[in-house]
Amino acid sequence: QVQLQESGPGLVKPSETLSLTCTVSGGSVSGYYWSWIRQSPGKGLEWIGYIYYSGSTSYNPSLKSRVIMSVDTSNNQFSLKLRSVTAADTAVYYCARDHSGSYPMDVWGQGTTVTVSS
Amino acid sequence: DIQMTQSPSSLSASVGDRVTITCRASQTISGSVSTYLNWYQQKPGKAPKLLIYDVSTLQSGVPSRFSGSGSGTDFTLTISSLQPEDFATYYCQQSRSTPYTFGQGTRLEIK
Repeated sequence: QVQLQESGPGLVKPSETLSLTCTVSGGSVSGYYWSWIRQSPGKGLEWIGYIYYSGSTSYNPSLKSRVIMSVDTSNNQFSLKLRSVTAADTAVYYCARDHSGSYPMDVWGQGTTVTVSS
Repeated sequence: DIQMTQSPSSLSASVGDRVTITCRASQTISGSVSTYLNWYQQKPGKAPKLLIYDVSTLQSGVPSRFSGSGSGTDFTLTISSLQPEDFATYYCQQSRSTPYTFGQGTRLEIK
């Protein structure tokens, strides 16, 4: 079955860019939407945005100015970049398979903890 | 954004109890073909797991003691007879429109 695995630095300095990749195994990125969600003690679960395999995106307005998502169909991966991070961006970041409303986020990665600190 | 409000925030119950968690949306989350209300279960250190979608459809593999109901803006998740593995945190989520939003969670604890 489809499995997702997040990867990237666990520690990012304030004002720098957080970069994460989600690798899809047991299936293809093609044909699906792919979401990023984060979870921090202060804000609960927050949807960051999604990217369609074709490259079209939808971002949460609260983060839109700082977020870029991309997809690499040849490597079956998709990525998140969040620039100008602060301590408020410290969270567990999850990637998930999405269906843009027709069906919910049904497959999730295990999550990766990112701490923003100097 | 559509705000999702769950109650209670925490709940203590015993194995075998019937429990109900409620979720209210700040506006309707019904669409032309469905009502986009989903429930997730999360255990400590794990990712959320999809339990129910479209208000009342059980995800494959989810035990039938879980059920969902509701319409418009008010929804419930019911566990008919709590099992030890059900003690977790439960979240409702709307996928009617972006940004998707989640309730703040209901922590279900052993009494």
